[in-house]
Amino acid sequence: RKEVEQDPGPFNVPEGATVAFNCTYSNSASQSFFWYRQDCRKEPKLLMSVYSSGNEDGRFTAQLNRASQYISLLIRDSKLSDSATYLCVANDMDSNYQLIWGAGTKLIIKP
Amino acid sequence: DAGVIQSPRHEVTEMGQEVTLRCKPISGHNSLFWYRQTMMRGLELLIYFNNNVPIDDSGMPEDRFSAKMPNASFSTLKIQPSEPRDSAVYFCASSFQRADTQYFGPGTRLTVL
Repeated sequence: RKEVEQDPGPFNVPEGATVAFNCTYSNSASQSFFWYRQDCRKEPKLLMSVYSSGNEDGRFTAQLNRASQYISLLIRDSKLSDSATYLCVANDMDSNYQLIWGAGTKLIIKP
Repeated sequence: DAGVIQSPRHEVTEMGQEVTLRCKPISGHNSLFWYRQTMMRGLELLIYFNNNVPIDDSGMPEDRFSAKMPNASFSTLKIQPSEPRDSAVYFCASSFQRADTQYFGPGTRLTVL
């Protein structure tokens, strides 16, 4: 069974700190990767796509390591509003390109 | 632009009753997905459609669940008869192509008593 694994947390981090999550995927043929953010009692929303060369969007940096089959998300200068659950997603080329979702990592930013 | 629209937002029903959840995808999107989310099992894909055709329904729990997409702008997920273990948040999502970014609706919070 194809899987995406994440540390559920919670990660308790002081405001202003840098925090990083990793996520591993089992299907080496996966081509597309995403990080979604989900706030309590809300729907998941795309945070960023993950490209082979890595990508950065403001305080957020995503990287892909194909050799070790993991993707990472780095959040710099964390804000209280970053508190949420972060979902890692990989597509499954063997199952009609279905997206395989991790269970999420809960992040709590403390003042 | 309107995002994915789901109705109802909340549904409370009694065991044995029929439940119908509705979804309107983003205009122009070719793929539509139904998910269920619980604390215990996380986000689970139930079924997805591509160009209104069901592609993969292997996630549908059992015959009590059925989904239809009669046209490009409307889909339903039906549970008949409902059971307490069906209580969850049901999300509908759509994407331009099946491997693209998915955009989620606000979800339907279902409680079966």
